[in-house]
Amino acid sequence: QKEVEQDPGPLSVPEGAIVSLNCTYSNSAFQYFMWYRQYSRKGPELLMYTYSSGNKEDGRFTAQVDKSSKYISLFIRDSQPSDSATYLCASSKGGGNKLTFGTGTQLKVEL
Amino acid sequence: SQTIHQWPATLVQPVGSPLSLECTVEGTSNPNLYWYRQAAGRGLQLLFYSVGIGQISSEVPQNLSASRPQDRQFILSSKKLLLSDSGFYLCAWSEAAGAFEQFFGPGTRLTVL
Repeated sequence: QKEVEQDPGPLSVPEGAIVSLNCTYSNSAFQYFMWYRQYSRKGPELLMYTYSSGNKEDGRFTAQVDKSSKYISLFIRDSQPSDSATYLCASSKGGGNKLTFGTGTQLKVEL
Repeated sequence: SQTIHQWPATLVQPVGSPLSLECTVEGTSNPNLYWYRQAAGRGLQLLFYSVGIGQISSEVPQNLSASRPQDRQFILSSKKLLLSDSGFYLCAWSEAAGAFEQFFGPGTRLTVL
């Protein structure tokens, strides 16, 4: 079993829709949870991160972690065509520790 | 601000040829450095990481090697490429101890024919 599981998609939504991207993880020691966005043929860029359980909001993006169910979510409100990319979740035990990545979910926002 | 560079951006090499990919970071000192390979549908696989000059940890046994000759330079090498070495190679950096965020370079797309 992979430590971080992510549905690869592809996920196709109309412009303006609310998008929900999800990951599950198995390692209870994970404390930090990150979302990266990767455009085609580019390196991943860090979107946002959360520590332990809870929500974090940044503009149209909300990251949510539920440690009791080991579930990580990223919500995108008012989705735009420019949001079309692959979204990677990642987890870490803490500072100085390696990141464990999900395989990524490909998102396409259509006009 | 910090920037990370990788080159070349694209590379096509025959099986059995050598490989050298370079990564440099600007605007920070003593970063942790990482090499990942990304294959379609398989996510990011950590290959090597380094916490200082000459200090390399290998995650996956393979015909690749890494070196860190300078503080902000990280090199990925192979003496003889295999078809299975094809993929998208990403270099990343993070601040030293205590940091968990990693920042990625633009990547090198390697095709082995």
